Amino acid sequence: DAGITQSPRHKVTETGTPVTLRCHQTENHRYMYWYRQDPGHGLRLIHYSYGVKDTDKGEVSDGYSVSRSKTEDFLLTLESATSSQTSVYFCAISPTAGGGYEQYFGPGTRLTVT
Amino acid sequence: QKEVEQNSGPLSVPEGAIASLNCTYSDRGSQSFFWYRQYSGKSPELIMFIYSNGDKEDGRFTAQLNKASQYVSLLIRDSQPSDSATYLCAVNGDYGGSQGNLIFGKGTKLSVKP
Repeated sequence: DAGITQSPRHKVTETGTPVTLRCHQTENHRYMYWYRQDPGHGLRLIHYSYGVKDTDKGEVSDGYSVSRSKTEDFLLTLESATSSQTSVYFCAISPTAGGGYEQYFGPGTRLTVT
Repeated sequence: QKEVEQNSGPLSVPEGAIASLNCTYSDRGSQSFFWYRQYSGKSPELIMFIYSNGDKEDGRFTAQLNKASQYVSLLIRDSQPSDSATYLCAVNGDYGGSQGNLIFGKGTKLSVKP
């Protein structure tokens, strides 16, 4: 998985609780991404980072926040989880946006909000 | 809204046949095109990518670009049952001004019958 880990791999939480998902990379890549994947919608970009402390919104950012204090870690936080945020979350990394833009994915986190 | 469209399938081919997967994209300015393979319950795995300047062959896989018609194809020769998976097409997009971000199609499910 190109030196990418995600934690936790599975989580069940209750509506209204905060949840933080972690993505850790050992590749020293500049760009990191958070996606969610749902049946019928495919992969949708939530937030991305183009460097330490540099982040921006993607297609479906409402209800999510991110932080990147170190090159290797990119955190995704659901401030108050809702059932609509039940999904599989993938982190991805990319060496540079100036190249081919290829992205490599982590193993994913399956989140269930009850 | 930039879009990438794929036939959801399933596409069923016999073992040893050529599987042809296609996707269309809406943004004429897209320059990089990607094919990912995703097994059920797993994360997307990059198979190959091409730039707007040419096609590419890698083993049993060939990616072709038709810029005039704005579609990308993936050919899998000598298809094997292990090729049975969902294939995602992605194109470089422009979320937040970053051309490194990818827009994904919803995927085509391929089934290779022994």
